[in-house]
Amino acid sequence: DIQMTQSPSSLSASVGDRVTISCRASQSISRYLNWYQQKPGKVPKFLIYAASSLQSGVPSRFSGSGSGTDFTLTISSLQPEDFATYYCQQSYSTPYSFGQGTKLEIK
Amino acid sequence: QVQLVQSGAEVKKPGASVKVSCKASGYTFTSDGISWVRQAPGLGLEWMGWISVYNGNTNYAQKLQDRVTMTTDTSTSTAYMELRSLRYDDTAVYYCARLRDYGSGSYIDYWGQGTLVTVSS
Repeated sequence: DIQMTQSPSSLSASVGDRVTISCRASQSISRYLNWYQQKPGKVPKFLIYAASSLQSGVPSRFSGSGSGTDFTLTISSLQPEDFATYYCQQSYSTPYSFGQGTKLEIK
Repeated sequence: QVQLVQSGAEVKKPGASVKVSCKASGYTFTSDGISWVRQAPGLGLEWMGWISVYNGNTNYAQKLQDRVTMTTDTSTSTAYMELRSLRYDDTAVYYCARLRDYGSGSYIDYWGQGTLVTVSS
């Protein structure tokens, strides 16, 4: 099975900051990498697929990059509604494993 | 609009079984797969498996392989997930979700509201 590891596990930042979250796969997954956002008590929201393709309706301040084993999610200018937990997920092979999550908190 | 509506919360004793339903609407049910994901209290997302609604093929996480069954009823656009021999650490919110293919990859774009399953004696 492919293991997904996110770093950091938690992150404090301020509104307006540029933030980067990393996701590493235990083996190459090409660009089969998705990102989700989850707020407390809410259902996850789909953000990005194929490492860098933004889902319709997702603000352009979100971007993704990477291929192979190393990926990043970048939020260019944090907004108050962006404070949440972010998960990466690989869809290269089943089981389609998730990372453990990165909690983005207000500084 | 795409909607996935799940059945209500359940409380079960250890060793019992639970069956969660997920009724889909707003899209052609047979065009996409259904994935099940669970989240234990305070923890992250765990992929449980998925079912092809088109042909009924399933793929389960190895750790659940012996205890989980995913099925669909295309006549009612409803998916089901049954988990048997429940343990305390099966306590979690269970989500159904639409699994879409793109090229050789897949993503989850719509989620049900979640069903809390509590295992308690």
